[in-house]
Amino acid sequence: QQQVKQSPQSLIVQKGGISIINCAYENTAFDYFPWYQQFPGKGPALLIAIRPDVSEKKEGRFTISFNKSAKQFSLHIMDSQPGDSATYFCAASSPGNTDKLIFGTGTRLQVFP
Amino acid sequence: DAGVIQSPRHEVTEMGQEVTLRCKPISGHNSLFWYRQTMMRGLELLIYFNNNVPIDDSGMPEDRFSAKMPNASFSTLKIQPSEPRDSAVYFCASSLPGQKIRNQPQHFGDGTRLSIL
Repeated sequence: QQQVKQSPQSLIVQKGGISIINCAYENTAFDYFPWYQQFPGKGPALLIAIRPDVSEKKEGRFTISFNKSAKQFSLHIMDSQPGDSATYFCAASSPGNTDKLIFGTGTRLQVFP
Repeated sequence: DAGVIQSPRHEVTEMGQEVTLRCKPISGHNSLFWYRQTMMRGLELLIYFNNNVPIDDSGMPEDRFSAKMPNASFSTLKIQPSEPRDSAVYFCASSLPGQKIRNQPQHFGDGTRLSIL
């Protein structure tokens, strides 16, 4: 059973534009929502993460928006750059099992100059 | 600092052969994870260990898959016999143990690209 649904599957954005990737979850026990970034030929790496006690977290050009009532969260990449071209995964975990991340299916982002 | 080290980076073998993937976690990390990545299913957790003990192997697809962690610095994922549908990229990740208040990031290796002919 897919517990974290991610969309879109792929995204093409022009340099300087805003990239938006969305995720929805089912398990209301989830309390930690990270985003991982993966470049070709490499493993995923933690980009940014949020807990449900805040509605937004910003780190540089990357922002997570969180809507607890809708059980949705999204990643916004402002001023997208070609170097941001990668696959992005959202994930979630519950307090009873903090080690176990449930990943979304990934979004391949391509930023063209 | 050395990251998570996986070997081999690429493996091509014939159906029915035994395949062994290896992982060296980051020193000091005591949680270790094995993932499988495919286009169809994305990133799937196969099994994870805490302090060398398997905690959750519910993602291991079949009895053909087995994983061991004989010590804190080494783990293996074995497939025997291998099948073409096992073709995927297999990642190992490690982390400090998660805590109730703060989750620890998982650090991934660069993966093993496995092709079963």
